Order: sequence, then C-alpha cells, then structure tokens
Amino acid sequence: GAVVSQHPSWVICKSGTSVKIECRSLDFQATTMFWYRQFPKQSLMLMATSNEGSKATYEQGVEKDKFLINHASLTLSTLTVTSAHPEDSSFYICSAPWVAGGGYEQFFGPGTRLTVL
Amino acid sequence: GDSVTQMEGPVTLSEEAFLTINCTYTATGYPSLFWYVQYPGEGLQLLLKATKADDKGSNKGFEATYRKETTSFHLEKGSVQVSDSAVYFCALSGAGGGNKLTFGTGTQLKVEL
Repeated sequence: GAVVSQHPSWVICKSGTSVKIECRSLDFQATTMFWYRQFPKQSLMLMATSNEGSKATYEQGVEKDKFLINHASLTLSTLTVTSAHPEDSSFYICSAPWVAGGGYEQFFGPGTRLTVL
Repeated sequence: GDSVTQMEGPVTLSEEAFLTINCTYTATGYPSLFWYVQYPGEGLQLLLKATKADDKGSNKGFEATYRKETTSFHLEKGSVQVSDSAVYFCALSGAGGGNKLTFGTGTQLKVEL
C-alpha cells in the first residue's frame, strides 16, 4: 500500500524560532498533498493544499506567511512554521491521495507533534 | 460549505457490546463518505468508505451505509473488542476521493474487558 512518512515525529522549539516539517510519499508520487492541524480532542482542520511545482492553496483563516508550504518534488512537501509561538503548538498531519480500491484514497502520515515553549 | 457532524465521545463499552457511532453530513452534490480510525500514537487509517447512495462499506467487522435520504453514514459493529479502542472520524470528500477531506470532530471509543 501507499505509505506517507513525516519527519520529525515530534519537535520542541523556543518561541520565535522556525520549524520545518517534512511529508514524504515513500512508494508513490503525489502532485498534491494536504496539510492538517489537529488540536487535542478535536477534529482535523485542513490548513492548505500543497501543489507540486506551484503555490499552495491556503484555507480561509490560515496565514500563508506563517505556515510556509513548499512542494519541491513529487514525493516531498514541507511545512515551515515561521516565528513559532506557543499557540502554534499542535499536531500537524499530512496526507496524499493515491489510487486504491478502484478510486483515489487519502493516505495519512503519522503526524508531527510540535510544542513551542 | 460541507460539514460533518458526529456524536461526541468518549464512548465506553464492554467487550462484545454493540457499537453505533452516528454521523450526518451536509454537502453539495454527491460526496464520498469515509470512516477513519486513529489508534493511539498512530496516523489516521481508512477504515471503510462508500462512494454512492445505498453503498455499504465494511471492514474488520465494522459497517456503514450511505443514506442519502437521511444524509447519514453511521458506523456500526456487532461485537467490539479491546483492540478497537481508538478515535473514529467520519469524513466526506468530493467525487474521486482525491479531493480534500472534511472531518467530523472524532469520537473516542474505549472498550473495556
């Protein structure tokens, strides 16, 4: 099956620093990837759609200058949280679609826990 | 816009009990419907899906039927096990499933011996 990895799995950083999170499709190519944010005991909130070779599409209310997304290749998308603050602490999850069961299916990474001190 | 509403948890059941987690949706057109499961410390995994009205998705003893007339996709299992303890998310997407997903808030299930 299609596998999506994320790195790092967890990160702790100081307020004001920037953190980069990687999302990789290991055994398939993905022209599109999705970035979600999950708050404790809450649902996943779609942040943006990452498009290979072009700009990301951000959901309403998500600061594009705060959450920089780069989809540099068909297997890698990165999310950089710039000048991180404690309120950015969250669980960040990526997904990528691939063909499965006669249609497309979203395959999710295991997530990255970000803690900003 | 599209939205998904699912019953709040946590839900605590004894092993071998019957499980129902309600899910209703609002969407334009004919969305695909999904149930995802998130085990502790792991990423989301697709549990089952249905792509058109009256379709029944099933996997690992879980079932859900796409009911367009009631805009529902309730998750059921006849006999839960301790290993089913996880968070369950109902979700929908536009045609094809490759589009972005809209999730419900998730329902935590705890199964006890």
